[in-house]
Amino acid sequence: EAEVAQSPRYKITEKSQAVAFWCDPISGHATLYWYRQILGQGPELLVQFQDESVVDDSQLPKDRFSAERLKGVDSTLKIQPAELGDSAMYLCASSLSGIAEAFFGQGTRLTVV
Amino acid sequence: GQQVMQIPQYQHVQEGEDFTTYCNSSTTLSNIQWYKQRPGGHPVFLIQLVKSGEVKKQKRLTFQFGEAKKNSSLHITATQTTDVGTYFCGSVTTDSWGKLQFGAGTQVVVTP
Repeated sequence: EAEVAQSPRYKITEKSQAVAFWCDPISGHATLYWYRQILGQGPELLVQFQDESVVDDSQLPKDRFSAERLKGVDSTLKIQPAELGDSAMYLCASSLSGIAEAFFGQGTRLTVV
Repeated sequence: GQQVMQIPQYQHVQEGEDFTTYCNSSTTLSNIQWYKQRPGGHPVFLIQLVKSGEVKKQKRLTFQFGEAKKNSSLHITATQTTDVGTYFCGSVTTDSWGKLQFGAGTQVVVTP
């Protein structure tokens, strides 16, 4: 069964350092989402891509976060510089379209020390 | 921010009992999706509701979409220990790209 791949699974970084996460969606899925999930809370949408275009990044802290999906396939989410409050699970999800079911990757657990 | 409110936030259930969790939106939704996240896991899709008043069943789970397409419910009968986890509703907006946003979830703990 096709899966959304994310790496790394775990990342520990010092505050003020740069960190990047990678996501490879299910083949053929045009929509890709990045979510941040703090323990005990629901996933918070950071950015949504339709193919290579950003269609929503209203909740993305643009002073330190950036996301790209250059060829409309895999995607990278970057944080620079990382802050203590960025410690969370970063989840990538993909779907055939924005109204179809989303498939999540296993996430990247980020700890900023 | 999150578009939908979920209640209750926590649900302790005795094995064999029924319970219901609710999802409410202030705006009309294109569709509503339900996901389950096991402890330490990632959200897994359960069901999607699209039509006003729609009801769908999956074994012991019954999902309902309100007539105004602003609320939804998940009812679980005869709860089992395998039902442990957090249940999220995901709201899909009516704009062009269908932004998928989640409520805070209902964390379910089952007592044997």
